[in-house]
Amino acid sequence: QVQLQESGPGLVRPSETLSLTCTVSGDSIRTYYWTWIRQPPGKGLEWIGYIYYSGSTDYNPSLKSRVTISADTSMNQFSLKLSSVTAADTAMYYCARGTYYYGVDVWGQGTTVTVSS
Amino acid sequence: DTVLTQSPGTLSLSPGERGTLSCRASQSVSSSYLAWYQQKPGQAPRLLIYGASSRATGIPDRFSGSASGTDFTLTITRLEPEDFAVYYCQQYGRAWTFGQGTKVEIK
Repeated sequence: QVQLQESGPGLVRPSETLSLTCTVSGDSIRTYYWTWIRQPPGKGLEWIGYIYYSGSTDYNPSLKSRVTISADTSMNQFSLKLSSVTAADTAMYYCARGTYYYGVDVWGQGTTVTVSS
Repeated sequence: DTVLTQSPGTLSLSPGERGTLSCRASQSVSSSYLAWYQQKPGQAPRLLIYGASSRATGIPDRFSGSASGTDFTLTITRLEPEDFAVYYCQQYGRAWTFGQGTKVEIK
């Protein structure tokens, strides 16, 4: 059974960098797409970006200048860095597995990140 | 970017009724790369439909999806109490995007 678990600070100060890690168990990140999706309080889902097993990445154009997604295959983890955060970046952040055919088929439980001084 | 517009914003129905949810794309989207998700309060989304019309593992057959050009539809034939939730469509071709969601609430 594939499981994903997000970890990282729940509070980030404005203008700083948000950093989250997703630990994958039950599958290797050397396959599929590994993605970050966020959801501001009371709002809809927003795709942030993904890293493909080959190491290539793709990002939401609206966030591209601030986002970096990387992977550590030795730890079976992938990570998100979002720079210069503002209150608008306050959200539930989900890591998930994306597939070429099936969409996003496995989700982490999500972690809440609040941007506040 | 491909914008997905879902309608209605809220659908008020009674258990046992049929629900029809719409998702319209701003440009051509391959049916192979259109998915629907269900999200309940406090939970992560769950994949229902992929490839516009294929049910994900374990999804009851009262859920079905269809496509016509840039219009996609999720149909729930007989609403069960556990089906009241928010539903999102997503295109996962180039630069993934989500619709804004349709809330299915109890009438």
